[in-house]
Amino acid sequence: AQTVTQSQPEMSVQEAETVTLSCTYDTSESDYYLFWYKQPPSRQMILVIRQEAYKQQNATENRFSVNFQKAAKSFSLKISDSQLGDAAMYFCAYRSSQAGTALIFGKGTTLSVSS
Amino acid sequence: KAGVTQTPRYLIKTRGQQVTLSCSPISGHRSVSWYQQTPGQGLQFLFEYFSETQRNKGNFPGRFSGRQFSNSRSEMNVSTLELGDSALYLCASSKREGEQFFGPGTRLTVL
Repeated sequence: AQTVTQSQPEMSVQEAETVTLSCTYDTSESDYYLFWYKQPPSRQMILVIRQEAYKQQNATENRFSVNFQKAAKSFSLKISDSQLGDAAMYFCAYRSSQAGTALIFGKGTTLSVSS
Repeated sequence: KAGVTQTPRYLIKTRGQQVTLSCSPISGHRSVSWYQQTPGQGLQFLFEYFSETQRNKGNFPGRFSGRQFSNSRSEMNVSTLELGDSALYLCASSKREGEQFFGPGTRLTVL
């Protein structure tokens, strides 16, 4: 069975600084998808960034980028120029290419941003 | 475009009762997935429906069931509620296997 591990329960960063959230996963599959989701306090979960395992190039979305290391089964999220609105719980998630849309989530990392 | 809606937003039940939660997906989305979020277990996949058929199921007891209607709206039912069923239940919709959009959730409290 696949598992997703986020080893940092909490992280903090100052505005305008850069922070990296870690995620490792375990799978025997070669074709899958990885995601980072953001869940602000009392607000809906939204997709931050997505990576297809067959793509070697790391995904980027504005200030958000990932470092995808397939052999090491590592998928970290880098947030550049952090903003107060980035404060949230961040979840790393895995989706098999063989299991519909079912997501396997890590336990999450709470990110706080200070001014 | 309206987002995913879930009703009710908050619910209080007592042990032994049953509950039905509803999810209306984004127009055009035929896949609906359900997740349970608790502080202890985190986010766990319950089941997925696509075109009225259950396509995938997580590791939950048979007390948890769901269904999907022809208009893609979905319901999940929990029978014989236990204290441990207290959680935020999230619904997500997508176009087949595309990006999932989450609803605001239903907060269920079991007393």
